[in-house]
Amino acid sequence: SQKIEQNSEALNIQEGKTATLTCNYTNYSPAYLQWYRQDPGRGPVFLLLIRENEKEKRKERLKVTFDTTLKQSLFHITASQPADSATYLCALDTGRRALTFGSGTRLQVQP
Amino acid sequence: EPEVTQTPSHQVTQMGQEVILRCVPISNHLYFYWYRQILGQKVEFLVSFYNNEISEKSEIFDDQFSVERPDGSNFTLKIRSTKLEDSAMYFCASSESPMPRETQYFGPGTRLLVL
Repeated sequence: SQKIEQNSEALNIQEGKTATLTCNYTNYSPAYLQWYRQDPGRGPVFLLLIRENEKEKRKERLKVTFDTTLKQSLFHITASQPADSATYLCALDTGRRALTFGSGTRLQVQP
Repeated sequence: EPEVTQTPSHQVTQMGQEVILRCVPISNHLYFYWYRQILGQKVEFLVSFYNNEISEKSEIFDDQFSVERPDGSNFTLKIRSTKLEDSAMYFCASSESPMPRETQYFGPGTRLLVL
């Protein structure tokens, strides 16, 4: 069956460190993969989109990698800040004109 | 910066009642979507809409649900006869180009509680 897996356990890190979040998928061949941020009670906010022919994408302190062989994307936040604390969602193109989301990983950055 | 807006922010209804959730997408966007998120669960796709018709719908989007763009700005989701399990946060989203190669912009959501 098709699955999108994100680490459901919260990730706790110290301010200033790099946070690395993982998105693994099975039985999909997405052409695109997106990362969103979601704060409690709010809608998802788009962060980055990466295409299957791109290995890496950067935006300010954010970096995303996309390994179609491993079927994995890694999302990095460098020099993390308490304001980065949120749930981060991975979303895939699953062959239809909509996104399929993972369950998200909650990041907590301690001051 | 343009944003998607949704009304109401909260809605409480009795089981079996009809509800209409309203959204105003970003003005130059042509593709519209509804998602829902049951408390503590993942964001789930319901339906996409383009050129005044449904493009895609999920298995969740059964005959109890309908969508409409009644004028040039609003996009609505109607649940005809609500069930307890319809309690969730409902998000509207819009994009300039078709998914999945385009950013989707989400609204703040409507929290629906069915009693």
